[in-house]
Amino acid sequence: AQSVTQLDSQVPVFEEAPVELRCNYSSSVSVYLFWYVQYPNQGLQLLLKYLSGSTLVESINGFEAEFNKSQTSFHLRKPSVHISDTAEYFCAVSDLSDGGFKTIFGAGTRLFVKA
Amino acid sequence: EAQVTQNPRYLITVTGKKLTVTCSQNMNHEYMSWYRQDPGLGLRQIYYSMNVEVTDKGDVPEGYKVSRKEKRNFPLILESPSPNQTSLYFCASSLLGQEQFFGPGTRLTVL
Repeated sequence: AQSVTQLDSQVPVFEEAPVELRCNYSSSVSVYLFWYVQYPNQGLQLLLKYLSGSTLVESINGFEAEFNKSQTSFHLRKPSVHISDTAEYFCAVSDLSDGGFKTIFGAGTRLFVKA
Repeated sequence: EAQVTQNPRYLITVTGKKLTVTCSQNMNHEYMSWYRQDPGLGLRQIYYSMNVEVTDKGDVPEGYKVSRKEKRNFPLILESPSPNQTSLYFCASSLLGQEQFFGPGTRLTVL
């Protein structure tokens, strides 16, 4: 069965510093990869996705993630974070297998951006 | 406005009293799903549906039921709620294989 591991539960970082949030999944057969962000007391919204094509995907607010099939990873990076990036980030994998289409989320990484 | 709506947003109930949380989307999405969010565990999929009358179990289906009689609606039913079902519940919808759009969440407390 598919599993998703987010290696860091909390990541504190100073404003304007770079950050990497790590995500590994267990199987790379027919998977679709997503990062979602949840701001305090809100629902989830898509940050970026990998479905096919270029392995490097970018969001409109400066985040990027790279699909690495050999390492089964989809790490999220931003070269310079802002206070407003403080949120919880979830990696998710949708897995088309056994005739179904399950979605598995990681446990989440809380990003704290300090001034 | 494209959206996923859930009702109620907050619910406090007692053990064993049947309840239904409604979910509706206006984007003509085939795929709909229910998740529960618990601290330290992320979101766990309860049930999903790939189209009308097609539903399947996610990772934590025990104690829950769903139905998909219409494309836009995907209610979550707790026939006999227990305290371990106290959680934050999210409904989501998408085109198959695309990103999911989430509702605002339903915070359920079972006493």
